[in-house]
Amino acid sequence: EAQVTQNPRYLITVTGKKLTVTCSQNMNHEYMSWYRQDPGLGLRQIYYSMNVEVTDKGDVPEGYKVSRKEKRNFPLILESPSPNQTSLYFCASCLGGIGMNTEAFFGQGTRLTVV
Amino acid sequence: AQSVTQLGSHVSVSEGALVLLRCNYSSSVPPYLFWYVQYPNQGLQLLLKYTTGATLVKGINGFEAEFKKSETSFHLTKPSAHMSDAAEYFCAVSLTSGTYKYIFGTGTRLKVLA
Repeated sequence: EAQVTQNPRYLITVTGKKLTVTCSQNMNHEYMSWYRQDPGLGLRQIYYSMNVEVTDKGDVPEGYKVSRKEKRNFPLILESPSPNQTSLYFCASCLGGIGMNTEAFFGQGTRLTVV
Repeated sequence: AQSVTQLGSHVSVSEGALVLLRCNYSSSVPPYLFWYVQYPNQGLQLLLKYTTGATLVKGINGFEAEFKKSETSFHLTKPSAHMSDAAEYFCAVSLTSGTYKYIFGTGTRLKVLA
């Protein structure tokens, strides 16, 4: 089954404690992206990757890091989480660059709380 | 700069009534247009998309949307609401000239009343 898998689904952590949210897709998609979803703000892009070893900032990259060492994986790293990063996070992938007419596939989401 | 506006963060309809969710965009060039649905505790899934061709697009679960270039709109409709349609709906656009992101609207939460 074609899917995007995020882990964990729920995470509560303390300020400053490094964490990683994993994302994996099994569709051989070149393009992967991370979004955060906040009430009243919709989805905002954090980082995206057009292929292995190619990443770029989205609209809200501050406080986040990503890496793309393999095509299927695109982890999101919070080196020193702060309460303003409490949010619902989504990973997405698609066949080509979004800007083409290809459908994006989304993971189930990771609800992160930073206290 | 591109933007997407969804009028109404919350919409309530009675079961069996028409569903109309509004989406307007601003773009200097015609974009690709998408509607996604998010059910509680789930990710987003594609309802329908417009790229080129016929301006009336049909999607899953009986939804359809019409691209109106003159009005820069892409409203989502369904003739008869079902309880299972209760969800959050997102309109999104992407440029046709190679930008690598979707721009999402802020979402509309649809409530269906029995």
